[in-house]
Amino acid sequence: DTAVSQTPKYLVTQMGNDKSIKCEQNLGHDTMYWYKQDSKKFLKIMFSYNNKELIINETVPNRFSPKSPDKAHLNLHINSLELGDSAVYFCASTHGTRGSPLHFGNGTRLTVT
Amino acid sequence: KQEVTQIPAALSVPEGENLVLNCSFTDSAIYNLQWFRQDPGKGLTSLLLIQSSQREQTSGRLNASLDKSSGRSTLYIAASQPGDSATYLCAVIGSGTYKYIFGTGTRLKVLA
Repeated sequence: DTAVSQTPKYLVTQMGNDKSIKCEQNLGHDTMYWYKQDSKKFLKIMFSYNNKELIINETVPNRFSPKSPDKAHLNLHINSLELGDSAVYFCASTHGTRGSPLHFGNGTRLTVT
Repeated sequence: KQEVTQIPAALSVPEGENLVLNCSFTDSAIYNLQWFRQDPGKGLTSLLLIQSSQREQTSGRLNASLDKSSGRSTLYIAASQPGDSATYLCAVIGSGTYKYIFGTGTRLKVLA
């Protein structure tokens, strides 16, 4: 009965490859996010969707492309992976756009070699 | 530009002690503030959410206060336990934005 689930948990790949991370929530939320946590544990917003509409698109390389097929899913595709993309990527969801608690997945640790 | 700072960066206390974690933000025009805990290798768990109109929220041994005008929030943990050991983060969302801005975190260790 996991609320926010991400797959895979670990992802090890070589520079230049393309990879995807998937996120699903069963909380009935209408807003989902992707966050990046760097090696210093700092969390930074990347994207957010509300009812499948993109509402936050931070300054990230256009190699990163989110896709929300429905309100319960938010995927992240990364093209031409670089060493600096190594980090932990967290998916989160909430009800509405700002007044409710955020619920996080357990993260995907991406290592680019 | 909103900046969120948490002091101290790390804290080690003996079991049973009451403690206070601090969170400061530069722009007082916030909609709400949340406190989270993060266990190693895990995602964040929301502990308390304080709306901008509220002064404090309580959940069990946790009490969070908010002083919006001074740009400060504190998380008070009563009678700390080893199970409280984790990294604690605060995050604020501005009145005119959808983005939560996270603090740098306080790594807490409660010694048995």
